[in-house]
Amino acid sequence: QKEVEQDPGPLSVPEGAIVSLNCTYSNSAFQYFMWYRQYSRKGPELLMYTYSSGNKEDGRFTAQVDKSSKYISLFIRDSQPSDSATYLCAMRLVQGAQKLVFGQGTRLTINP
Amino acid sequence: NAGVTQTPKFQVLKTGQSMTLQCAQDMNHEYMSWYRQDPGMGLRLIHYSVGAGITDQGEVPNGYNVSRSTTEDFPLRLLSAAPSQTSVYFCASSTDRGRFTGELFFGEGSRLTVL
Repeated sequence: QKEVEQDPGPLSVPEGAIVSLNCTYSNSAFQYFMWYRQYSRKGPELLMYTYSSGNKEDGRFTAQVDKSSKYISLFIRDSQPSDSATYLCAMRLVQGAQKLVFGQGTRLTINP
Repeated sequence: NAGVTQTPKFQVLKTGQSMTLQCAQDMNHEYMSWYRQDPGMGLRLIHYSVGAGITDQGEVPNGYNVSRSTTEDFPLRLLSAAPSQTSVYFCASSTDRGRFTGELFFGEGSRLTVL
């Protein structure tokens, strides 16, 4: 079993829909939780990060962490075609800034 | 500001051949790492370095060598290429300085096919 599990999709929704992306993990020692966005033929880029449990909002994006359930989510409101990309969850321990554990990535398409 | 630069972008090898993927960063980051990305597997850590002269193995190190002689460069060597090493390889850098120490800065990837 992988340390971090993410539904690979693909996920296809109409423009304006609310998108929910999720990951589960098994290592309760993870403290930092991140979402990376990867456009086709490009490297991943950090979208959002959260330390420990709670919610964080940035514009149309909301990241949630539930450490008791070992479950993290990314919500995208008013989705746009430009949001079409692969979204990867990632997490790490307190120590080890260079060692992230990634989920498999979810491929998302927003249809105009 | 180039960030993380990887070369080559594409490469085709025959089984048993060796080659080096180059990675350079101009952000003075102390950490550098190599990941491979395969369908359904996400990104998996191959090797990483916490500074010049210091390297360590990640999750899938077999068949790869690395060295870090300077802060800027972190080449990945395939010793004897195998079809199982067909993948997209990403180099990344990061730092403990700044507001958040979990952000990896990735290059654009090197697509390798081993026949």
